Order: sequence, then structure tokens, then C-alpha cells
Amino acid sequence: DAKTTQPNSMESNEEEPVHLPCNHSTISGTDYIHWYRQLPSQGPEYVIHGLTSNVNNRMASLAIAEDRKSSTLILHRATLRDAAVYYCILRDITSGTYKYIFGTGTRLKVLA
Amino acid sequence: GAGVSQSPRYKVAKRGQDVALRCDPISGHVSLFWYQQALGQGPEFLTYFQNEAQLDKSGLPSDRFFAERPEGSVSTLKIQRTQQEDSAVYLCASSPDRSVNTEAFFGQGTRLTVV
Repeated sequence: DAKTTQPNSMESNEEEPVHLPCNHSTISGTDYIHWYRQLPSQGPEYVIHGLTSNVNNRMASLAIAEDRKSSTLILHRATLRDAAVYYCILRDITSGTYKYIFGTGTRLKVLA
Repeated sequence: GAGVSQSPRYKVAKRGQDVALRCDPISGHVSLFWYQQALGQGPEFLTYFQNEAQLDKSGLPSDRFFAERPEGSVSTLKIQRTQQEDSAVYLCASSPDRSVNTEAFFGQGTRLTVV
């Protein structure tokens, strides 16, 4: 299973952009990159996903390196409600079940 | 709106007791996953269903863990003879199909405490 590496924690000031990095050097050509976040006492929540091209949605942007060995989740203006653990996940197509393999994620702290 | 619903939200079990955790996925969703999340850790995969078929149970930690989804909708995770190391949050997720290009919807989880 391809693995991802993320910093354990990051801090950001409210209303400033946040760039959350993820390394996935063993990614295969057909692995999609997914980001989920988990607020305290909640289940994980979908944020965004992509394959090769950069992606934007109402929550965030995903920037994928040209060699796909790394990606960055961008929150354009952090709010206090964005404080959560952010997980970068590769969808495992080869297993036949496409299970999500979570790491320990990045705990984002947003300062007022 | 109708999301993934899990019950009970909290369960306290005495060591050795059997427990059953229920997951109501979003109606019509083909895929259903169970995860176990220990305190301070990321969720760990337990098992996967496609409709009523259990296609992957590689993450179940022992034969005390059993999951079923008999009619392809509601799923139950059963833990027999609970032990303290089973204390965790158990998460259920569903998604519309098997594609890697879709998102999964997670429930709030059931927090199991074995005393």
C-alpha cells in the first residue's frame, strides 16, 4: 500500500491561507489523492480529491506536483472552524475494495 | 439531511461482554466500510462490503470481530468477549459505488469503552 507522510501539526492565524503538505513518493499512476478532515468528536469529512490536475472546490484547493510525489491542500482563509486533523490518503485501487488507508494526519490549530 | 447514522453513540461494556454496533448507511450506497480509531490515532480499516457481500475483512483484528450486511443496507459490527484493547471509536462509512473517484461519507462513530 502506498503511504503518505504529513507533518504532525501546524498552526495558522485566522483569515490567513494555510498550506498543508503531503508526501507520497510511492504513489502509483492510478492512485487518486484524497483529503479528509476530522473535527473533534466527529467522523472524517471529505474535503477534496484529485488525480493529476489541480482541483478547486468551495472548501479548498488541491495542488498536485507534476511528478505526483507530493501534494498540498490549500485553505484560502482559515477560520476557527477549520481546526481539525487533516488526512492525506491514497485510494488503493489494487486491493479491489478501494479502502482508505489513514495515517496520523496533520493537526491544524487556528489562532484567533 | 440523511447522512450515515450509527448507534449507539456511546457503549460501555464489561470485559467479556458481547456488543453489537449498528450502521445505517446513506440509502442506495453500494459500498460500506468499518473503521476502528484508537485515541490519538487515525482510523484503521476493518472490513468492506459491496452491497451484501463482504469483500475484504483483512483488517478485523481477531475472530472475535464479526460484521454483516445481510440485505445490502444496514450493517452490524459484533464484538464477542470484549477486551480492554477493543476500547475505541468505531466508524462506519458509505459511498455510492466502488469508484476511487467518489467520496465516502462517515458517521459520527460509536465510542466503545470496555471496563
